[in-house]
Amino acid sequence: GAVVSQHPSRVICKSGTSVKIECRSLDFQATTMFWYRQFPKQSLMLMATSNEGSKATYEQGVEKDKFLINHASLTLSTLTVTSAHPEDSSFYICSGYLQNTEAFFGQGTRLTVV
Amino acid sequence: AQKITQTQPGMFVQEKEAVTLDCTYDTSDPSYGLFWYKQPSSGEMIFLIYQGSYDQQNATEGRYSLNFQKARKSANLVISASQLGDSAMYFCAMREGTGFKTIFGAGTRLFVKA
Repeated sequence: GAVVSQHPSRVICKSGTSVKIECRSLDFQATTMFWYRQFPKQSLMLMATSNEGSKATYEQGVEKDKFLINHASLTLSTLTVTSAHPEDSSFYICSGYLQNTEAFFGQGTRLTVV
Repeated sequence: AQKITQTQPGMFVQEKEAVTLDCTYDTSDPSYGLFWYKQPSSGEMIFLIYQGSYDQQNATEGRYSLNFQKARKSANLVISASQLGDSAMYFCAMREGTGFKTIFGAGTRLFVKA
């Protein structure tokens, strides 16, 4: 299947700093990618839809100024957690699609804010 | 609004036996896709099986089969001949129409006993 690479897999940052997470589609072009957040022992909650060349579409309750999404090319979407706080600690995972196929997920990023 | 329900937070199965993980869904779109993903402790999302709403036959992929009951809006995953490596979280997911947005159920944690 298609490959989506997410980096970094783990990151620890200080409260108040910003963290950037990258999601790359390695062998296909992804005009649309999705960012999810997963709390321990819970499901994946869709945060936003990342559209190449346009603004991201955020789900209700997700702060767009807190979670900045950039999708500047067909193979790269980035999620930046700005002014991170301990409550932002979570597992973040991205996914991309080929037409009429299942989602291909990145490996996920475990963010810990101290 | 679309909705996915997994009512079994945890399931135990003896090695080599079959197990069924339940999933019900709700949508008003006649065109949709149903997915099952496995998430081991490492966090990666592993695609298992897909069922389209117009598919006449139940999907099968090796030891995985999807029991699709369209009238009841259920899409249960059946794992035959369980293996210790099957111990993981399992998520049922749905995608409506031609869109790519996928939502996930709460998940079921499967424990396979030796």
